[in-house]
Amino acid sequence: GDSVTQTEGPVTLSEGTSLTVNCSYETKQYPTLFWYVQYPGEGPQLLFKVPKANEKGSNRGFEATYNKEATSFHLQKASVQESDSAVYYCALSGLPGTGSNRLTFGKGTKFSLIP
Amino acid sequence: EAAVTQSPRSKVAVTGGKVTLSCHQTNNHDYMYWYRQDTGHGLRLIHYSYVADSTEKGDIPDGYKASRPSQENFSLILELASLSQTAVYFCASRTGSEQYFGPGTRLTVL
Repeated sequence: GDSVTQTEGPVTLSEGTSLTVNCSYETKQYPTLFWYVQYPGEGPQLLFKVPKANEKGSNRGFEATYNKEATSFHLQKASVQESDSAVYYCALSGLPGTGSNRLTFGKGTKFSLIP
Repeated sequence: EAAVTQSPRSKVAVTGGKVTLSCHQTNNHDYMYWYRQDTGHGLRLIHYSYVADSTEKGDIPDGYKASRPSQENFSLILELASLSQTAVYFCASRTGSEQYFGPGTRLTVL
C-alpha cells in the first residue's frame, strides 16, 4: 500500500533560520501531494497541494517541489518565525476519479522555535 | 470556507462504556472521514463514508463503528471503550482531493 515517511521531530530552530522537513513517499498511483499544518488545539488544515510532477506548491512562505524521480516532496521555508510553530504533515492521494478515496499521512513533524 | 464541527470537544469515559462522537458538516460534501491522532502515529483512518447510510472500513476499524444517517452527519461509536482508545479524534469532509478537518475531540478513557 501507500506510505509516507517524513522527518522525525521535534525540530527546534532559532527565529530567522531556515526550515526543511523531508518527505518521501511510496505509491503505485499517480499521486497528488499535500502538506497540512496543525496549530495547537486545532485540526489539520491544508497548507498547499501539488497535483503534478515537477511542479512547486507554496503558501505562507513555505514551498515544496513534487520530485517524481526521487519520490520526494520536501517542505522548506527560508526564515521561520514564531507563528510557524506547529505540526506539519506530508500526505498523498490518488487522483480524483481514479477510485482513490483517502489520504495517506506521514507521522507528522513538530516544529517550534528555540525559546 | 469549509465548516466541520465536532461534539463533544472533550470527553472522559469509563472502560467498558459506550461513547458516541458526532461530526457535522455544512458543505454538502459527499465524503466524510474519522481519524485518530496519537503521538508517534500521526493520523490514522478509522472509517469513512461516501454516501448516507453507508460506511467503509479504514486502516484501523477494530473496536469502532460508524454511522452516516444523513449527508451532513457522521458519528463514531465505541461500543465498549478501552484504555487504548484514549486519543484525539478528527472528523473530515472532502471535496475534490482536499479534506477539511474539524477541531477534534479529545477522548480520555479511564
